[in-house]
Formats: sequence, C-alpha cells, structure tokens
Amino acid sequence: QKEVEQNSGPLSVPEGAIASLNCTYSDRGSQSFFWYRQYSGKSPELIMFIYSNGDKEDGRFTAQLNKASQYVSLLIRDSQPSDSATYLCAVNAGGTSYGKLTFGQGTILTVHP
Amino acid sequence: EAGVAQSPRYKIIEKRQSVAFWCNPISGHATLYWYQQILGQGPKLLIQFQNNGVVDDSQLPKDRFSAERLKGVDSTLKIQPAKLEDSAVYLCASSLGGRALIGELFFGEGSRLTVL
Repeated sequence: QKEVEQNSGPLSVPEGAIASLNCTYSDRGSQSFFWYRQYSGKSPELIMFIYSNGDKEDGRFTAQLNKASQYVSLLIRDSQPSDSATYLCAVNAGGTSYGKLTFGQGTILTVHP
Repeated sequence: EAGVAQSPRYKIIEKRQSVAFWCNPISGHATLYWYQQILGQGPKLLIQFQNNGVVDDSQLPKDRFSAERLKGVDSTLKIQPAKLEDSAVYLCASSLGGRALIGELFFGEGSRLTVL
C-alpha cells in the first residue's frame, strides 16, 4: 500500500463546478496535511494545510480531514480554467520528521470553459 | 524576496556519466531539501538538511547519489554514475526554520535530467 494515495485522474470539470480531490494515507500517526498545486512544468506551491479534524476554508478552497478514516480532501468551488493543474496531497508524520513531507502521486485537474 | 535558485535547468547525459545540480535557498532558510520527481509521480524526498547537518537521507541511493551543504547555505546534489531510471526533475526546496512545521516548503524551478 502506498503511503499517500490520491484518487486516480485525470479529473475534468466544467467551469463554475465543484472539483473534489481525495487523498488517503497509511500512517495513522500523521500529524499534518497539505495540498500543493503544480502547474505543468512548474514547481509545487502550497495552497492549503490542515491539522485538525473537520473543514478549513480559504476562499474557494476547502480542505477536509478525517483522521479516523485517514482521509483528506480538497474541494474547489466555482472552478476556473486557471485552476487546471496537478494537485499534490502531502503528509507530515510529525515529531522528529518535521518538515519531511511524503507526497501522493498527484491528481491532474482540468477545468474546461 | 528572491526565490530558490537552481541550476542547470536542463541536463542531458549518457548513462554512467556524472552530473551535479546546485541550489541556493531563500536567504535565511535553515532547512533545505532535495526531492526527486519522476514524470507522473509526486516528489520523493532524497535528503533534508538543517543548516549544514543532514536530518534525513534515508531515501538517498548512497551508492550513486551524494549531497552536501557547505556553510549551511548553498547545496550540491551529485549523481555518479547515472542510470536511466535517474531521469527526473530534481527539486530543491527550503523552509524557514519553524515554518517547516507547517510544511510550507518553497520550491525552486527544478533541474530536469534526462539520462540516455
């Protein structure tokens, strides 16, 4: 089993729709969870992080965490063509592993006009 | 604020040759990372430095890869000899001390290696 696994893509949604990206992780002791966005040919950039169970909202983005189910998701509301990118889920085990992120394989999102 | 600088951006070599990548982190960032990203996969951590000390190199193939961070600033990643499976983008990232706790890594543009 992969340490961090994301829903297989690519994912295609129409402009204005909600895009839902999912991620599961295997290490039950994981402490913090991140979503990075990577445009084609570019480097990853952090867009959201979440530590506690529940929802965290930032503009059009909502991160959801369920530690009991070892599940993290990212919702993008009112999707725009500029949101088209690969979304990487990353997990930090915490403790002495601070700063060490384990990434999933990424989900390619395409938002079509 | 200048970002993470990497060079070269692209490199093509033949298998068994050697290659070196250079990284200059954001000024003041104590933590530096080298990640390997193979096409279609997420980044995989190769090595993490805190200042000039190694924090984690458990996934670094030490028989062919080496990295150093002299004086706690710039870093170099070397591959010798290269194999076909080393074809990837090598991403350098840095973080500002405690902010590493929230996983806010700043990535450079990457160095794309093609091994023929």
